[in-house]
Amino acid sequence: AQSVSQHNHHVILSEAASLELGCNYSYGGTVNLFWYVQYPGQHLQLLLKYFSGDPLVKGIKGFEAEFIKSKFSFNLRKPSVQWSDTAEYFCAVSPEVYSSASKIIFGSGTRLSIRP
Amino acid sequence: DVKVTQSSRYLVKRTGEKVFLECVQDMDHENMFWYRQDPGLGLRLIYFSYDVKMKEKGDIPEGYSVSREKKERFSLILESASTNQTSMYLCASSLGDRAVYEQYFGPGTRLTVT
Repeated sequence: AQSVSQHNHHVILSEAASLELGCNYSYGGTVNLFWYVQYPGQHLQLLLKYFSGDPLVKGIKGFEAEFIKSKFSFNLRKPSVQWSDTAEYFCAVSPEVYSSASKIIFGSGTRLSIRP
Repeated sequence: DVKVTQSSRYLVKRTGEKVFLECVQDMDHENMFWYRQDPGLGLRLIYFSYDVKMKEKGDIPEGYSVSREKKERFSLILESASTNQTSMYLCASSLGDRAVYEQYFGPGTRLTVT
C-alpha cells in the first residue's frame, strides 16, 4: 500500500536558520509529489509540486524541494526561515497515471515553530 | 482563483444526530474529496467523487456517506454522529483524472459531537 512518512513531527527553529523537512514515500511507480502548508487559522494551500522534469522544484515564499527517486524522498528546504513560516507542513504523493486505486496520500504533517 | 467553500466553520452536534456538511467549488472541477484532519494523523480520506452521482470510498468511510447531485457541490453526511467523529473536516477539489493533480482546499469545518 502507498504511504508517506514525515519523520519530524515538530520542528523548532530560530529566525534565519535553515530548514529541511523530510518526506519519504513508498510506491512502486511514477509519482506526482506535493508539499502543502497550513498557516494558523488558514486553509491548506499548495506550496510546491513535482510532476516531471527538473527534480529540484521551487515554490512560493522561497521554499524548494528536491525529488530523489533512488531514495523515494521529497524533502522540503528553505535557506533562511522567517517567523511567518510558522505553520504545519504536509507532504503528499499521488500516482502519475490514474488507476482505480489512484488518490493523493498525505503524510501526518510536521509542525514548524519559528522563534522570533 | 479556485474557491472552495464549506457551509460552516464550527458546528456542535449531539450524539445520534444526523449531520450534513456542505462543500461548494466554483472552478468546474471534476473531482471532489472529503478528509478529516486529526492531530498527529494528518489528513485521512473519507470519500471522493470524480463525477456527478459517482463516489468512491476512501480510507475511513465507516459512519459516513456522501452525495453529489451537482458538479459543484459535494455533501458529507454523518448518519448518526458519534463522539469519535469530533474532528476537523476538509473538503477539496481538483481537475482531471481522479486524484492525480493538486487539490484545492476549503477552510474546514470543526465539528464537535457531544
